[in-house]
Amino acid sequence: QSALTQPASVSGSPGQSITISCTGTSSDVGGYNYVSWYQQHPGKAPKLMIYEVSNRPSGVPDRFSGSKSGNTASLTISGLQAEDEAEYYCSSYTTYSTWVFGGGTRLTVL
Amino acid sequence: QVQLVESGGGVVQPGRSLRLSCAASGFTFRSYGMHWVRQAPGKGLEWVAIISKDESDKHYADSVKGRFTISRDNSKNTLYLQMNSLRVEDTAVYYCAKDRSNSWTLEYWGQGTLVTVSS
Repeated sequence: QSALTQPASVSGSPGQSITISCTGTSSDVGGYNYVSWYQQHPGKAPKLMIYEVSNRPSGVPDRFSGSKSGNTASLTISGLQAEDEAEYYCSSYTTYSTWVFGGGTRLTVL
Repeated sequence: QVQLVESGGGVVQPGRSLRLSCAASGFTFRSYGMHWVRQAPGKGLEWVAIISKDESDKHYADSVKGRFTISRDNSKNTLYLQMNSLRVEDTAVYYCAKDRSNSWTLEYWGQGTLVTVSS
């Protein structure tokens, strides 16, 4: 099972919007609405930010949103804030009853 | 609140075994599937294994299949990962995570325990 494809890095200025893509196959991202996104600050555990493509857990700001088209899912962060600077990972359930993560995207807030 | 605390990590020689534990609290442990995920130093996340709430269903990543065994003790609210025939490439922080019911989502994560495989 190959990792999902994410850009290695993205950046934006405070107040701007950025989008991180996550490309898989019809066996994972394209085949199920079980795509989730995680935020990880250095030395910390991952934190769930989006589940089932576009749902936000309680406590996650509505600046975070998710979507999917075909085999590609996307995470959009609007109104960037300094605390959003972190590593972001996408994940998907797969047809093999396993899970697969993306390689991670480093978000830099300029 | 949900709390997951991993333990059992350490330094081990290649070919040896190690058992990790994950103590759960703040939710009804027996009602949820549980995962193990690992992260090699400076690398991304890699899913390792999942166990269903009643232990009837288990699945593994190809990289650990046949060497690692996931299990749980619902009477002790504890998840385990038995790791045999360890390799240098198994060096990582190992996280346990609670599955979100009917959602195939890793909802809450522990802080992780570091396993170092080295001679």
